[in-house]
Amino acid sequence: EVQLLESGGGLVQPGGSLRLSCAASGFRFSNYAMSWVRQAPGKGLEWVSRISGSGDSTDYADSVKGRFTISRDNYKNTLYLQLNSLRAEDTAVYYCAKENYMDSFDYWGQGTLVTVSS
Amino acid sequence: DIQMTQSPSSLSASVGDRVTITCRASQGISNSLAWFQQKPGKAPKSLIYAASSLHIGVPSKFSGSGSGTDFTLTISSLQPEDFATYYCQQYNSYPRSFGQGTKLEIK
Repeated sequence: EVQLLESGGGLVQPGGSLRLSCAASGFRFSNYAMSWVRQAPGKGLEWVSRISGSGDSTDYADSVKGRFTISRDNYKNTLYLQLNSLRAEDTAVYYCAKENYMDSFDYWGQGTLVTVSS
Repeated sequence: DIQMTQSPSSLSASVGDRVTITCRASQGISNSLAWFQQKPGKAPKSLIYAASSLHIGVPSKFSGSGSGTDFTLTISSLQPEDFATYYCQQYNSYPRSFGQGTKLEIK
């Protein structure tokens, strides 16, 4: 059974940093690209970043480019998102999502809440 | 960037009804279109990929169609558990983009 478990969310001040983790199980982690998607309170879904299975290719939304860094450890079966220079508008539930071979999301984690506030 | 526009933004229907949600892309995306269902306080659930292929375990009451710029999600014989918000998403190019969502409510 595929499982994705996010952690690392919390309350952080504007300008601060946070690292999110997504522990994966139930599939060969290194074979699949992974993404982060966020959802601000009461709003829709926003794609944030994607990393290839090997980790050598990454993409970012313009809203986070230069501030967020996606990475993965295929030995630990874990996906990461480093969030720097956080702003109030980064407040959201952050989900990790697994891609299938057709590049579409098939499984999602339960999400972790990041709140940026002073 | 590709913009995804869903219609309607909200929809009221009764148990047993059949409903259709439309998603339009600002430029052609072939069939690189997915649909997701989200219930309040829960993570999204993947329903459809490649415009019309159902993910494992998704009941056949859900169906998708379309190619290029215009796509539809149809849900037949609505049950109470189907009332949720539905999102489309293009994965033809980066940045990947979602529609704004369609909230399906019980009439």
